[in-house]
Amino acid sequence: DQQVKQNSPSLSVQEGRISILNCDYTNSMFDYFLWYKKYPAEGPTFLISISSIKDKNEDGRFTVFLNKSAKHLSLHIVPSQPGDSAVYFCAASGGTSGSRLTFGEGTQLTVNP
Amino acid sequence: GAGVSQSPRYKVAKRGQDVALRCDPISGHVSLFWYQQALGQGPEFLTYFQNEAQLDKSGLPSDRFFAERPEGSVSTLKIQRTQQEDSAVYLCASSFIRANTEAFFGQGTRLTVV
Repeated sequence: DQQVKQNSPSLSVQEGRISILNCDYTNSMFDYFLWYKKYPAEGPTFLISISSIKDKNEDGRFTVFLNKSAKHLSLHIVPSQPGDSAVYFCAASGGTSGSRLTFGEGTQLTVNP
Repeated sequence: GAGVSQSPRYKVAKRGQDVALRCDPISGHVSLFWYQQALGQGPEFLTYFQNEAQLDKSGLPSDRFFAERPEGSVSTLKIQRTQQEDSAVYLCASSFIRANTEAFFGQGTRLTVV
């Protein structure tokens, strides 16, 4: 079963506008959530994280929102830049999954100049 | 180097051949993880080490997969009698304590079984 889902395989936005990437999870025991960015032929790079005791975490242009009741998190990038074009993975850990990360399928973000 | 290093970057194996994939984690990182990423999918957990102890190997898809980290640093993922469905990118990640801190990933090894 897919415990972490990213339902949008791709997203295209204009430079300077907001990018919103979404992620849903089913395991209520997850207590830590992360976003990774991946460029072609490179490994995933950590972007931002949030603990389940919070509902928002902000780092520069990146903000992650967590809605525990809906089991939903989102990543906001504002303003979007062409260099943000990459695949974004949502990941979760905690509960019986322990230290392992459970990833979503990824969303390809394209920021057009 | 300062990051997680994996070798080889690319490996082509004939079906039935054994392969060994190497991971050099960041110095001092206690935790080491192996993930398998199929084309168009997110990484999927294979196994986890804390120092030299393999604490979780529940993600290994079959007994043809074996991982070790004998001295708590470098790790090797071995796949015996490779099959076409083993074709994927194999990612190694390390973190200082647990994955609840950010895990740093290597560039991966792309394995193609022909």
